[in-house]
Amino acid sequence: QKEVEQNSGPLSVPEGAIASLNCTYSDRGSQSFFWYRQYSGKSPELIMFIYSNGDKEDGRFTAQLNKASQYVSLLIRDSQPSDSATYLCAVTSNDYKLSFGAGTTVTVRA
Amino acid sequence: DTEVTQTPKHLVMGMTNKKSLKCEQHMGHRAMYWYKQKAKKPPELMFVYSYEKLSINESVPSRFSPECPNSSLLNLHLHALQPEDSALYLCASSQQGTYTGELFFGEGSRLTVL
Repeated sequence: QKEVEQNSGPLSVPEGAIASLNCTYSDRGSQSFFWYRQYSGKSPELIMFIYSNGDKEDGRFTAQLNKASQYVSLLIRDSQPSDSATYLCAVTSNDYKLSFGAGTTVTVRA
Repeated sequence: DTEVTQTPKHLVMGMTNKKSLKCEQHMGHRAMYWYKQKAKKPPELMFVYSYEKLSINESVPSRFSPECPNSSLLNLHLHALQPEDSALYLCASSQQGTYTGELFFGEGSRLTVL
């Protein structure tokens, strides 16, 4: 059973702060790692993907991957109220199947 | 065109009804997916079509029947559903013909079964 675990929320951060989201996965053969954002009542939207160890930055978002520790994280810098959403970590393994974590709900307080 | 379009957005049906959900993409993507999402849960994969052929069926009950008429269209036919099938049904597509994590989701069809 491939498992993807995310830190339980909800996570509340003040506007302008850094929101840190964590995700661990059980399958050491996992290949690719994704972060989706889902606003309440809307569909998921891919915001970041990372395939290699290290950091990947895109605007205010940074994804970090450590395959040895089976850990992937998402940092949201200068958090804005518009970042309030549920963030889903997703992982593909050797069979290419995508496994989603349960999600972490982030609330950015103005 | 970078959208996946789903219709209808909302559907209410009785347990004896037959209805269909429709999905369309014009991005030239080679794989299309149906996911089911219950409230406060992650999406659950139902079906994957790759190059218009059914490549993954996640042991979905036969009351759900997928169809891929062409590379741009995906349907989900519904028959004799149960109230527990009420959920948000999401269509997604991906550029690659195999299963990847880079998915483009439609807005979803919210289904209520009475």
